[in-house]
Amino acid sequence: KAGVTQTPRYLIKTRGQQVTLSCSPISGHRSVSWYQQTPGQGLQFLFEYFSETQRNKGNFPGRFSGRQFSNSRSEMNVSTLELGDSALYLCASRTGAHNEQFFGPGTRLTVL
Amino acid sequence: QQQVKQSPQSLIVQKGGISIINCAYENTAFDYFPWYQQFPGKGPALLIAIRPDVSEKKEGRFTISFNKSAKQFSLHIMDSQPGDSATYFCAASKGYGGSQGNLIFGKGTKLSVKP
Repeated sequence: KAGVTQTPRYLIKTRGQQVTLSCSPISGHRSVSWYQQTPGQGLQFLFEYFSETQRNKGNFPGRFSGRQFSNSRSEMNVSTLELGDSALYLCASRTGAHNEQFFGPGTRLTVL
Repeated sequence: QQQVKQSPQSLIVQKGGISIINCAYENTAFDYFPWYQQFPGKGPALLIAIRPDVSEKKEGRFTISFNKSAKQFSLHIMDSQPGDSATYFCAASKGYGGSQGNLIFGKGTKLSVKP
């Protein structure tokens, strides 16, 4: 089975711009979670989508949003980028009936 | 508020030795405790996980020990190898059975295994 894929792998943006990241979960997985990883804050939960509905949300500002499509693929969007948004954004998928989450390789976002 | 505290931040072990990483949690509602391994430039990979009704779980060279009363759990890597050099994260979540997809992670432990 193919693993979780994320595109693009690297992205450079400037402050004030917006960005959209994409995640394709493992086939059959209906839940997709997004995490932000930074050296200072570590791994922090952004939100989870299950069957196109946001199920859980972390403590991030409204500039961070996401959605899930009927084929379980997910996108996350960050608007009005700030320097502090520079991070590795990780997507994880699971079946939804079990807790085991499998991570993709991440998208490295650099905000200049 | 850091809900999962991990120690040490870094660890150096000789090849063949035992690596031990500890985590403590605060929320007694947590009921799923996984460990992840992350290599540079890669996403975290699930190593092993445990539920609080089990005190120990072993998979190959990796063992989780769980102490519910102390709200602590640890990862033991037996016969540590240079290929084990990576960053290890403990995590916790609630809603075993799938209702909660938000993992709370520890800050990570960078393990170096010297040949």
